[in-house]
Amino acid sequence: DADVTQTPRNRITKTGKRIMLECSQTKGHDRMYWYRQDPGLGLQLIYYSFDVKDINKGEISDGYSVSRQAQAKFSLSLESAIPNQTALYFCATSDPGQGSNEQFFGPGTRLTVL
Amino acid sequence: ILNVEQSPQSLHVQEGDSTNFTCSFPSSNFYALHWYRWETAKSPEALFVMTLNGDEKKKGRISATLNTKEGYSYLYIKGSQPEDSATYLCASPSGGYNKLIFGAGTRLAVHP
Repeated sequence: DADVTQTPRNRITKTGKRIMLECSQTKGHDRMYWYRQDPGLGLQLIYYSFDVKDINKGEISDGYSVSRQAQAKFSLSLESAIPNQTALYFCATSDPGQGSNEQFFGPGTRLTVL
Repeated sequence: ILNVEQSPQSLHVQEGDSTNFTCSFPSSNFYALHWYRWETAKSPEALFVMTLNGDEKKKGRISATLNTKEGYSYLYIKGSQPEDSATYLCASPSGGYNKLIFGAGTRLAVHP
């Protein structure tokens, strides 16, 4: 079974709709991240969380919000989706005790906003 | 925000060729350099995490070197195989170990 799971895997929605992407992990890691990937660009950090009470904005947080419901769950919301939010979204986890901050990624959610 | 840059953007090689590509990053306040391999329709997976200047790591036919003073890392693949086809991402922490800044990746295609 996958250690980091994301739902849904694919989603097509319309402009203005509210969308939630969910991430769950069984790795027991405190740190969780949301990234988006656009063609020709690297992974861009949207939000990250170091524990249930800690939420931090990344480089491209505008238009997004997150919720850390538990150590194992980190959700990303698009309050009012727009076409330029069409992208591949990855959730990731890391273990600060490991020292290296190596990231463990979920399978990705492909979101299309029409 | 530091810039992590990778070159080339894409690479096509024949099976059996050896190849290498570059990741450059600001050399000041260096913490670590990560290499990830991302196959189509799969999740990125860590290949190496390197922290020491002069470090060299190897995993099978893939190896990487690190020069923190000049701010670059090379990834080498010896005797490329079609299964090596993937996008190779490098990343370096920003603001301590808190978050990674990723390069745009090098897309490698190995043709039989």
